Amino acid sequence: EAQVTQNPRYLITVTGKKLTVTCSQNMNHEYMSWYRQDPGLGLRQIYYSMNVEVTDKGDVPEGYKVSRKEKRNFPLILESPSPNQTSLYFCASSLRQGNSPLHFGNGTRLTVT
Amino acid sequence: GENVEQHPSTLSVQEGDSAVIKCTYSDSASNYFPWYKQELGKGPQLIIDIRSNVGEKKDQRIAVTLNKTAKHFSLHITETQPEDSAVYFCAAGRGQNFVFGPGTRLSVLP
Repeated sequence: EAQVTQNPRYLITVTGKKLTVTCSQNMNHEYMSWYRQDPGLGLRQIYYSMNVEVTDKGDVPEGYKVSRKEKRNFPLILESPSPNQTSLYFCASSLRQGNSPLHFGNGTRLTVT
Repeated sequence: GENVEQHPSTLSVQEGDSAVIKCTYSDSASNYFPWYKQELGKGPQLIIDIRSNVGEKKDQRIAVTLNKTAKHFSLHITETQPEDSAVYFCAAGRGQNFVFGPGTRLSVLP
């Protein structure tokens, strides 16, 4: 089954403790992206990647890192999480060519205390 | 950059009635306008999209209209059913870079 898999689904951590949220897709998509979803703000892009070893900042990249060493994986790293990073995070992938629909994972709800 | 507004933020309709959600965008260079449906506990899923060279597109009970001059586009759902209850997001942009609206929570009342 074609899908985008995120782990974990839920995560509670403390300020400053490094964490990684994994994302994997099995559709051979070139493009992958991370979004955060906050009430009243919709989905805001954190980082995206057009292909292996190519990453770029989105609209809200501060406090996040990503890497794209393999085509299928695109982990999101929070080196020193803060409470304002408490949010619902989504990974998405698509074919690289323009106007291809995004396929989203089921989300990771992160709480930073 | 692109800015997308979406109205209303919440919408309640009786089963069988129609629902309309409207979005406006700011960047006249945007040429792709997808709509996503998000059910509770799941990620958004594409339900319909439209490109700037088309004014209207329909898929069964769902239709989208685009007015490039006014820079707005709308989602129309006819004969609503309880399973249409969800949060709907519009988006506008070019290529793979687009901006999402803040979302509309649709409730279909039996």
